[in-house]
Amino acid sequence: GAGVSQTPSNKVTEKGKYVELRCDPISGHTALYWYRQSLGQGPEFLIYFQGTGAADDSGLPNDRFFAVRPEGSVSTLKIQRTERGDSAVYLCASSFSGSATGELFFGEGSRLTVL
Amino acid sequence: QQQVKQSPQSLIVQKGGISIINCAYENTAFDYFPWYQQFPGKGPALLIAIRPDVSEKKEGRFTISFNKSAKQFSLHIMDSQPGDSATYFCAASPIDEKLTFGTGTRLTIIP
Repeated sequence: GAGVSQTPSNKVTEKGKYVELRCDPISGHTALYWYRQSLGQGPEFLIYFQGTGAADDSGLPNDRFFAVRPEGSVSTLKIQRTERGDSAVYLCASSFSGSATGELFFGEGSRLTVL
Repeated sequence: QQQVKQSPQSLIVQKGGISIINCAYENTAFDYFPWYQQFPGKGPALLIAIRPDVSEKKEGRFTISFNKSAKQFSLHIMDSQPGDSATYFCAASPIDEKLTFGTGTRLTIIP
């Protein structure tokens, strides 16, 4: 596809369950970002990959959150022991320049609801 | 700590009018200031961006005004149209670092 693809678009889970959210960036984009957007708020930074490595994971709220990008393309955000407060839209973005000064191309997000 | 403060939270403007959204920042290391537009159910999309070496940037009906000494920047939408109804986010970052977003402004253009 031409844009950033995120799956699933919607995920409903129960408190305490494990969740994986997938992001397929634009082909050739070296940088990949995960943001979290709560209702009525701006996107909140979680983690940034440059290639396969996490260049900045300072936004991950706690050790229940983990993300990987093993081959430098697709990334998976993993959330263990989900809590109701984890409910939000998880946005993935990619960029070509590899820095925040390049345009970020966002996917449509994965809406996570924890019951 | 909210590093980018955005106002107003919501804005209603008549078609053909000027929409103005303001942002203020605290981190003097910020040197890239984009505005993103988001429609319901979609991800944010870059609208226009500015670097602090200029005080104004215009692209079509959209203008960013930047005041480095006041640490403020604003988005002006001229001749506002119903299709401009969306949520707008300002953002900022130091060079080569992550973007910090404002809390958003929900803009509604009425006929």
